[in-house]
Amino acid sequence: QKEVEQNSGPLSVPEGAIASLNCTYSDRVSQSFFWYRQYSGKSPELIMSIYSNGDKEDGRFTAQLNKASQYVSLLIRDSQPSDSATYLCAVNRKTALIFGKGTTLSVSS
Amino acid sequence: NAGVMQNPRHLVRRRGQEARLRCSPMKGHSHVYWYRQLPEEGLKFMVYLQKENIIDESGMPKERFSAEFPKEGPSILRIQQVVRGDSAAYFCASSPPDQPQHFGDGTRLSIL
Repeated sequence: QKEVEQNSGPLSVPEGAIASLNCTYSDRVSQSFFWYRQYSGKSPELIMSIYSNGDKEDGRFTAQLNKASQYVSLLIRDSQPSDSATYLCAVNRKTALIFGKGTTLSVSS
Repeated sequence: NAGVMQNPRHLVRRRGQEARLRCSPMKGHSHVYWYRQLPEEGLKFMVYLQKENIIDESGMPKERFSAEFPKEGPSILRIQQVVRGDSAAYFCASSPPDQPQHFGDGTRLSIL
């Protein structure tokens, strides 16, 4: 089992819709969870961090964490074409980050 | 407020040469991490350093790769005797203790 798993996509949504991105992880001792956005040819950009069960909202983004199910998700409301990118889920292993391969999101106008 | 600075942005080397990648962390960040992103692969952790100390090098290949973060100056990732398989994007990230990591723009290494 891979340490961090994401559907590779592409996930296609129309402009204005909600995009839902999912991630599962295998290490039960992980305590910190992150979502990064990476545009093609660019560096990963931190968009959300979450450390406790439940929801965390920041603007159009909501991260959800369920440690019992070892599941993290990211919701993007009112999706815009500029949200088209690869979204990377990352989980801590001690101080290192373990990344999933990413989900490619395409928002059509 | 400058972010994580990496140079060079692009580096071309011939097989057998050495590659040196530099990373200056964000101001106030004492922790530096190196990651490698191969084509069609995810980001892979390589090494975590603090000033003058390697804390975790569990992701570093056993041979040809080394990293340092001296008391003065940037962190250096060094690859000796490069091979075609070393072609990748190398990203540096930095953070304060127990805070999220922020990434630099990366160095794209191409091996001829």
